[in-house]
Amino acid sequence: IAGITQAPTSQILAAGRRMTLRCTQDMRHNAMYWYRQDLGLGLRLIHYSNTAGTTGKGEVPDGYSVSRANTDDFPLTLASAVPSQTSVYFCASSVGAGQPQHFGDGTRLSIL
Amino acid sequence: DAKTTQPPSMDCAEGRAANLPCNHSTISGNEYVYWYRQIHSQGPQYIIHGLKNNETNEMASLIITEDRKSSTLILPHATLRDTAVYYCIVRVRTNAGKSTFGDGTTLTVKP
Repeated sequence: IAGITQAPTSQILAAGRRMTLRCTQDMRHNAMYWYRQDLGLGLRLIHYSNTAGTTGKGEVPDGYSVSRANTDDFPLTLASAVPSQTSVYFCASSVGAGQPQHFGDGTRLSIL
Repeated sequence: DAKTTQPPSMDCAEGRAANLPCNHSTISGNEYVYWYRQIHSQGPQYIIHGLKNNETNEMASLIITEDRKSSTLILPHATLRDTAVYYCIVRVRTNAGKSTFGDGTTLTVKP
């Protein structure tokens, strides 16, 4: 079934460790996004990519990095995790920039 | 991007129409109105979008005022499965970076 796959589904991580959240889509969408959602709040954009080979900073990019080497994959890396990065992380994609977005099921990340 | 304002919560009786308002008084001419919903802790689901004309699909209808400063999402016959957080966002269609979700409206459909 076409869609977005995020991995892992959940993770507990010690502060200071490096972590990469994976996101893969098989819909050949050009644009991809990473959001975080803290408990009881809305989604905030971390990083985005309009098309393969390009990335940009969203609303809350500090402490995160992304790459977009090909159309399908858009990994999010926490270089040195801190407890304030405890959140649910959603990856999304869209046919083009600004088009309706399709979301993955999220990664629940706890930093201790 | 234009900021949106939504009521934090609403209730609706099962089988009745649910009308969810959104204020976007600073919307610019090239910004579209999008609606998404998030059921429990799942990933958000796209519902509908529009620029200035009213839109309808199999899920909902979107009514945008003539001055485009506000809109209403209508679920014509709400069911218990429509209980969710509904997000109204406005964004341009030229840059993926312009994509901010507010806190949304928690709609509770009651039997």
